[in-house]
Amino acid sequence: GAGVSQTPSNKVTEKGKYVELRCDPISGHTALYWYRQSLGQGPEFLIYFQGTGAADDSGLPNDRFFAVRPEGSVSTLKIQRTERGDSAVYLCASSLKGGQNTEAFFGQGTRLTVV
Amino acid sequence: GQQLNQSPQSMFIQEGEDVSMNCTSSSIFNTWLWYKQDPGEGPVLLIALYKAGELTSNGRLTAQFGITRKDSFLNISASIPSDVGIYFCAGPSGGSNYKLTFGKGTLLTVNP
Repeated sequence: GAGVSQTPSNKVTEKGKYVELRCDPISGHTALYWYRQSLGQGPEFLIYFQGTGAADDSGLPNDRFFAVRPEGSVSTLKIQRTERGDSAVYLCASSLKGGQNTEAFFGQGTRLTVV
Repeated sequence: GQQLNQSPQSMFIQEGEDVSMNCTSSSIFNTWLWYKQDPGEGPVLLIALYKAGELTSNGRLTAQFGITRKDSFLNISASIPSDVGIYFCAGPSGGSNYKLTFGKGTLLTVNP
């Protein structure tokens, strides 16, 4: 597709389980970002990839959260031992140029619900 | 960290009316961005502002970068039903040009 694609669109999981959220960026975009949006809030930065490497992971809330981008395209956000407080919409964005967030395009998000 | 305060939190207007919303910060921002988010979708960039005092238009939307670099406003003229959504201001923070800080958003409802 032409835009950023995120799967699944919705995910319900039990507390303590492991989940993976996938992001397919726009083809050719080298920069990829993950944000988390809680109800009634704006998105909050989690991590930024330039190519295959995580250039800035300062927004990851704790070590239960991890993200990879092994081939510099698709990225997976992984959450271990999920907690109810992890429930949120997880947004992915990509941009052609590294570090140019003003050129970033967002996907539709994955709504994660931890029960 | 840097925070952005948006007002109002929500607005209910009649179709055809003009709308104004703003965003303030206690810290200086070098770029101001305005996004719109529809239900179940990601934010879409409407306008980007890069210079203090800059006034930029995109169709019926106009945004300004405040002289103090600590505020910005967004105006929508002659509102239509499809303007409904949440409007966010955002700016790069933490000394980076990629890590965005977002406000909490202004929810706009347009009555036909």
